[in-house]
Amino acid sequence: QKEVEQNSGPLSVPEGAIASLNCTYSDRGSQSFFWYRQYSGKSPELIMSIYSNGDKEDGRFTAQLNKASQYVSLLIRDSQPSDSATYLCAVKGYSTLTFGKGTMLLVSP
Amino acid sequence: EAQVTQNPRYLITVTGKKLTVTCSQNMNHEYMSWYRQDPGLGLRQIYYSMNVEVTDKGDVPEGYKVSRKEKRNFPLILESPSPNQTSLYFCASSLSLADLRFFGPGTRLTVL
Repeated sequence: QKEVEQNSGPLSVPEGAIASLNCTYSDRGSQSFFWYRQYSGKSPELIMSIYSNGDKEDGRFTAQLNKASQYVSLLIRDSQPSDSATYLCAVKGYSTLTFGKGTMLLVSP
Repeated sequence: EAQVTQNPRYLITVTGKKLTVTCSQNMNHEYMSWYRQDPGLGLRQIYYSMNVEVTDKGDVPEGYKVSRKEKRNFPLILESPSPNQTSLYFCASSLSLADLRFFGPGTRLTVL
Protein backbone atom coordinates (compact mmCIF):
# COMPACT_ATOMS: atom_id res chain seq x y z
CA GLN A 1 0.00 0.00 0.00
CA LYS A 2 1.52 3.29 -1.09
CA GLU A 3 1.51 5.87 1.66
CA VAL A 4 1.59 9.63 1.57
CA GLU A 5 2.12 11.30 4.93
CA GLN A 6 1.36 14.85 5.94
CA ASN A 7 1.20 16.61 9.28
CA SER A 8 -2.49 17.32 9.89
CA GLY A 9 -1.81 20.68 11.50
CA PRO A 10 -3.20 23.19 11.86
CA LEU A 11 -0.21 25.20 10.78
CA SER A 12 -0.74 28.77 11.91
CA VAL A 13 1.20 31.64 10.34
CA PRO A 14 0.72 35.41 10.41
CA GLU A 15 -0.21 37.30 7.27
CA GLY A 16 2.84 38.02 5.14
CA ALA A 17 4.90 35.11 6.49
CA ILE A 18 6.14 32.05 4.60
CA ALA A 19 4.10 28.90 5.14
CA SER A 20 5.96 25.60 4.73
CA LEU A 21 3.98 22.43 4.13
CA ASN A 22 5.63 19.02 4.05
CA CYS A 23 4.86 15.60 2.63
CA THR A 24 6.68 12.26 2.60
CA TYR A 25 5.87 9.25 0.44
CA SER A 26 6.69 5.58 0.66
CA ASP A 27 7.03 4.46 -2.97
CA ARG A 28 10.60 5.19 -4.04
CA GLY A 29 9.64 4.69 -7.68
CA SER A 30 7.14 7.57 -7.72
CA GLN A 31 7.83 10.17 -10.37
CA SER A 32 5.02 12.71 -10.26
CA PHE A 33 3.85 14.82 -7.34
CA PHE A 34 1.04 17.29 -6.90
CA TRP A 35 -0.26 19.84 -4.43
CA TYR A 36 -3.96 20.60 -4.13
CA ARG A 37 -5.73 23.26 -2.13
CA GLN A 38 -9.13 22.50 -0.65
CA TYR A 39 -11.40 24.98 1.03
CA SER A 40 -13.84 23.57 3.57
CA GLY A 41 -16.72 21.77 1.84
CA LYS A 42 -15.31 22.44 -1.63
CA SER A 43 -13.59 20.26 -4.19
CA PRO A 44 -9.78 20.05 -4.41
CA GLU A 45 -8.01 22.51 -6.70
CA LEU A 46 -4.70 21.62 -8.35
CA ILE A 47 -2.12 24.32 -7.63
CA MET A 48 1.28 22.77 -8.37
CA SER A 49 2.86 19.75 -9.99
CA ILE A 50 6.52 18.74 -9.81
CA TYR A 51 8.41 15.91 -11.48
CA SER A 52 12.14 16.67 -11.07
CA ASN A 53 14.35 17.15 -8.06
CA GLY A 54 14.73 20.75 -7.02
CA ASP A 55 12.41 23.73 -6.88
CA LYS A 56 9.54 24.81 -9.09
CA GLU A 57 8.09 28.28 -8.66
CA ASP A 58 4.67 29.60 -9.69
CA GLY A 59 3.80 33.01 -8.32
CA ARG A 60 3.80 32.89 -4.52
CA PHE A 61 4.04 29.09 -4.54
CA THR A 62 7.23 27.02 -4.66
CA ALA A 63 7.20 23.25 -4.74
CA GLN A 64 10.34 21.39 -3.71
CA LEU A 65 11.14 17.76 -4.44
CA ASN A 66 13.86 15.54 -3.02
CA LYS A 67 13.45 12.01 -4.39
CA ALA A 68 16.41 10.63 -2.41
CA SER A 69 14.68 11.63 0.83
CA GLN A 70 11.19 10.90 -0.58
CA TYR A 71 10.10 14.34 0.44
CA VAL A 72 7.95 17.00 -1.20
CA SER A 73 7.22 20.43 0.19
CA LEU A 74 5.17 23.48 -0.69
CA LEU A 75 6.21 26.98 0.29
CA ILE A 76 3.71 29.81 0.21
CA ARG A 77 5.33 33.23 0.33
CA ASP A 78 3.55 36.37 1.58
CA SER A 79 0.74 34.24 3.02
CA GLN A 80 -2.72 35.77 2.89
CA PRO A 81 -5.84 34.98 4.94
CA SER A 82 -7.36 33.69 1.68
CA ASP A 83 -4.68 30.97 1.68
CA SER A 84 -6.32 29.45 4.75
CA ALA A 85 -7.33 25.99 3.54
CA THR A 86 -6.32 22.35 3.67
CA TYR A 87 -3.41 21.45 1.41
CA LEU A 88 -3.30 17.95 -0.02
CA CYS A 89 -0.16 16.26 -1.29
CA ALA A 90 -0.73 13.62 -3.98
CA VAL A 91 1.59 11.07 -5.58
CA LYS A 92 0.94 9.48 -8.94
CA GLY A 93 1.15 5.72 -9.36
CA TYR A 94 0.65 3.78 -12.58
CA SER A 95 -3.08 4.40 -12.77
CA THR A 96 -4.03 6.09 -9.53
CA LEU A 97 -3.36 9.20 -7.52
CA THR A 98 -2.76 8.64 -3.80
CA PHE A 99 -3.53 11.57 -1.55
CA GLY A 100 -2.20 12.46 1.86
CA LYS A 101 -4.68 13.36 4.57
CA GLY A 102 -3.88 17.03 4.19
CA THR A 103 -2.46 19.84 6.30
CA MET A 104 -4.73 22.63 7.47
CA LEU A 105 -3.18 26.07 7.09
CA LEU A 106 -4.49 29.05 9.04
CA VAL A 107 -3.25 32.51 8.10
CA SER A 108 -4.12 35.16 10.66
CA PRO A 109 -4.49 38.86 9.67
CA GLU B 1 -17.79 25.81 -19.74
CA ALA B 2 -15.54 22.85 -18.98
CA GLN B 3 -16.90 21.08 -15.95
CA VAL B 4 -17.65 17.92 -14.05
CA THR B 5 -21.17 17.68 -12.70
CA GLN B 6 -22.45 15.42 -9.97
CA ASN B 7 -25.99 14.69 -8.88
CA PRO B 8 -27.41 14.78 -6.37
CA ARG B 9 -25.33 17.23 -4.34
CA TYR B 10 -26.90 16.15 -1.08
CA LEU B 11 -28.68 12.92 -0.24
CA ILE B 12 -30.03 11.42 2.95
CA THR B 13 -31.15 7.82 2.60
CA VAL B 14 -31.70 4.68 4.63
CA THR B 15 -29.73 1.49 4.91
CA GLY B 16 -30.30 -0.91 2.03
CA LYS B 17 -32.00 1.46 -0.41
CA LYS B 18 -30.12 1.33 -3.71
CA LEU B 19 -28.87 4.64 -5.03
CA THR B 20 -26.86 6.05 -7.90
CA VAL B 21 -24.70 9.16 -7.90
CA THR B 22 -24.20 10.45 -11.40
CA CYS B 23 -21.03 12.03 -12.74
CA SER B 24 -20.72 13.67 -16.13
CA GLN B 25 -17.91 15.58 -17.85
CA ASN B 26 -18.03 17.65 -21.04
CA MET B 27 -14.31 17.66 -21.88
CA ASN B 28 -13.96 14.34 -23.70
CA HIS B 29 -11.64 13.10 -20.96
CA GLU B 30 -10.41 9.52 -20.99
CA TYR B 31 -9.72 9.17 -17.26
CA MET B 32 -12.43 9.37 -14.60
CA SER B 33 -12.33 8.51 -10.94
CA TRP B 34 -14.42 8.42 -7.78
CA TYR B 35 -13.09 9.41 -4.37
CA ARG B 36 -14.60 9.52 -0.94
CA GLN B 37 -13.43 11.92 1.73
CA ASP B 38 -13.82 11.32 5.43
CA PRO B 39 -12.50 13.37 8.39
CA GLY B 40 -9.06 12.18 9.39
CA LEU B 41 -8.82 9.78 6.44
CA GLY B 42 -8.37 12.14 3.52
CA LEU B 43 -9.33 11.41 -0.08
CA ARG B 44 -9.47 7.72 -0.89
CA GLN B 45 -10.05 6.31 -4.34
CA ILE B 46 -13.05 4.05 -4.84
CA TYR B 47 -12.93 3.18 -8.55
CA TYR B 48 -11.35 4.60 -11.66
CA SER B 49 -11.74 4.25 -15.40
CA MET B 50 -9.00 4.68 -17.98
CA ASN B 51 -11.49 4.66 -20.88
CA VAL B 52 -14.91 3.46 -21.99
CA GLU B 53 -15.68 -0.05 -20.74
CA VAL B 54 -12.44 -0.10 -18.71
CA THR B 55 -12.85 0.23 -14.96
CA ASP B 56 -10.77 -0.90 -12.02
CA LYS B 57 -10.84 -0.90 -8.25
CA GLY B 58 -9.18 1.77 -6.17
CA ASP B 59 -8.29 1.51 -2.51
CA VAL B 60 -11.81 1.25 -1.04
CA PRO B 61 -14.13 -0.43 -3.60
CA GLU B 62 -16.18 -2.58 -1.21
CA GLY B 63 -19.90 -1.80 -1.40
CA TYR B 64 -19.64 0.20 -4.62
CA LYS B 65 -20.11 -0.45 -8.33
CA VAL B 66 -19.38 1.68 -11.36
CA SER B 67 -19.95 1.55 -15.10
CA ARG B 68 -18.44 3.41 -18.04
CA LYS B 69 -20.70 2.80 -21.01
CA GLU B 70 -19.94 6.15 -22.60
CA LYS B 71 -16.98 8.46 -22.23
CA ARG B 72 -18.79 11.35 -20.56
CA ASN B 73 -20.58 9.46 -17.75
CA PHE B 74 -19.24 7.50 -14.81
CA PRO B 75 -22.02 6.73 -12.31
CA LEU B 76 -21.33 5.41 -8.82
CA ILE B 77 -23.79 2.79 -7.63
CA LEU B 78 -24.43 1.76 -4.04
CA GLU B 79 -26.49 -1.42 -4.24
CA SER B 80 -27.18 -1.67 -0.51
CA PRO B 81 -25.91 1.42 1.29
CA SER B 82 -24.75 1.15 4.88
CA PRO B 83 -24.03 3.87 7.48
CA ASN B 84 -20.26 3.46 6.98
CA GLN B 85 -20.74 4.81 3.45
CA THR B 86 -21.79 8.16 4.86
CA SER B 87 -19.20 10.45 3.31
CA LEU B 88 -18.39 13.26 0.90
CA TYR B 89 -17.94 11.88 -2.61
CA PHE B 90 -15.99 13.49 -5.45
CA CYS B 91 -15.86 12.55 -9.09
CA ALA B 92 -12.86 13.70 -11.12
CA SER B 93 -11.80 13.57 -14.74
CA SER B 94 -8.73 14.36 -16.82
CA LEU B 95 -7.07 13.70 -20.15
CA SER B 96 -4.44 11.77 -18.25
CA LEU B 97 -3.62 10.99 -14.65
CA ALA B 98 -0.76 13.48 -14.81
CA ASP B 99 -3.24 16.34 -14.85
CA LEU B 100 -6.13 15.45 -12.53
CA ARG B 101 -7.54 18.94 -12.12
CA PHE B 102 -11.24 18.69 -12.82
CA PHE B 103 -13.27 17.69 -9.81
CA GLY B 104 -16.99 17.71 -9.44
CA PRO B 105 -18.58 19.81 -6.67
CA GLY B 106 -19.06 16.82 -4.39
CA THR B 107 -22.00 14.78 -3.16
CA ARG B 108 -22.64 14.66 0.56
CA LEU B 109 -24.28 11.33 1.35
CA THR B 110 -25.80 10.36 4.67
CA VAL B 111 -26.98 6.78 5.21
CA LEU B 112 -29.19 6.31 8.26
